[in-house]
Amino acid sequence: GESVGLHLPTLSVQEGDNSIINCAYSNSASDYFIWYKQESGKGPQFIIDIRSNMDKRQGQRVTVLLNKTVKHLSLQIAATQPGDSAVYFCAESSDYKLSFGAGTTVTVRA
Amino acid sequence: NAGVMQNPRHLVRRRGQEARLRCSPMKGHSHVYWYRQLPEEGLKFMVYLQKENIIDESGMPKERFSAEFPKEGPSILRIQQVVRGDSAAYFCASSPERTGGKSPLHFGNGTRLTVT
Repeated sequence: GESVGLHLPTLSVQEGDNSIINCAYSNSASDYFIWYKQESGKGPQFIIDIRSNMDKRQGQRVTVLLNKTVKHLSLQIAATQPGDSAVYFCAESSDYKLSFGAGTTVTVRA
Repeated sequence: NAGVMQNPRHLVRRRGQEARLRCSPMKGHSHVYWYRQLPEEGLKFMVYLQKENIIDESGMPKERFSAEFPKEGPSILRIQQVVRGDSAAYFCASSPERTGGKSPLHFGNGTRLTVT
């Protein structure tokens, strides 16, 4: 499943499929980007980050892609699991201050 | 989220009362950041403090809101004369130094303030 555009807030994906969550950022000066996962009643949990001198970074089951030309960030989750159901936020930073996107709610179907 | 402790987890106040939110940073961390999250939205920066100093309060409303991080004890976010629009989740994060975009912030589980 894939979310497209800045304003699509939900993504429904079949368990075992790959998920792609997209994010457009606004500040050309931002040089550090982070993806957070937030479950109900909890604080944002760090998933993966990337600096502006890179265009791809991989973690365990997750990959972040950065396209500075069009100011676009994406998070790919491989083999989505029920525990991946949450709200996902991208955040950008040029210093200590993080600017968060609106978030995408991911629901995993069994 | 391990390490940054916030209390209370839930706080209910009537309009006009005061709300005090506490944040204990991770051990050894001297920098604290407060963010606010309205329902269905992302987090918004409020204030950045070091021990005994406010570094950046540009995201905090000028009236009714104040923050401190004393030499001893937790950081406190204080909201005086609360209004319904203050209902939100308030999150705290800490770092050992000014992050400068080099490392992610790790957040506590927040205080959910409800104003009735």
